[in-house]
Amino acid sequence: DAGVIQSPRHEVTEMGQEVTLRCKPISGHDYLFWYRQTMMRGLELLIYFNNNVPIDDSGMPEDRFSAKMPNASFSTLKIQPSEPRDSAVYFCASSFGGADEKLFFGSGTQLSVL
Amino acid sequence: RKEVEQDPGPFNVPEGATVAFNCTYSNSASQSFFWYRQDCRKEPKLLMSVYSSGNEDGRFTAQLNRASQYISLLIRDSKLSDSATYLCVVNWSGGSYIPTFGRGTSLIVHP
Repeated sequence: DAGVIQSPRHEVTEMGQEVTLRCKPISGHDYLFWYRQTMMRGLELLIYFNNNVPIDDSGMPEDRFSAKMPNASFSTLKIQPSEPRDSAVYFCASSFGGADEKLFFGSGTQLSVL
Repeated sequence: RKEVEQDPGPFNVPEGATVAFNCTYSNSASQSFFWYRQDCRKEPKLLMSVYSSGNEDGRFTAQLNRASQYISLLIRDSKLSDSATYLCVVNWSGGSYIPTFGRGTSLIVHP
């Protein structure tokens, strides 16, 4: 398996533009997580899905953020409109779930909003 | 949200030194515990799980103290390649097992 695949690796955009981040989890994993990492706040859980269903989105900062998982092999995180404070590295991770299951992370998307 | 606290460091140690990191967690219902390693500009990767009886993997030893709600990571005979950020992760059960990350402890091993 190729692991968790995220795209794009880097995104530079201007304030007010829509940004869409993409993730393909490892086949067979039931759980998909979106995290955001900044120097100030570390790794923050934004939202997670179980079997394509959003379970907890309490970490999503505000209504400008939305996430979908239309099928087991694809998820998107959208920011509309983007703001400079959204600049961060966004990681997608997947796992089988369960207490002892480890997370497998994608390489992340480095987002810069100018 | 449940909290996981770590000393950010950096811990600056010479090669061959022994170094230890601690991590405290606030949720007594936490179920499982892990240490992840993150290299600069890379994604986090699992270093080791932490078991109740403590466990060892080569130069790395992890301990869990449920009564005091902390976990530790001990690195013996530090190598230059150990330089990284070490993230403490706690899974707590809110129906599903939700991985919560500490902010990480930075380790710099110098010659």
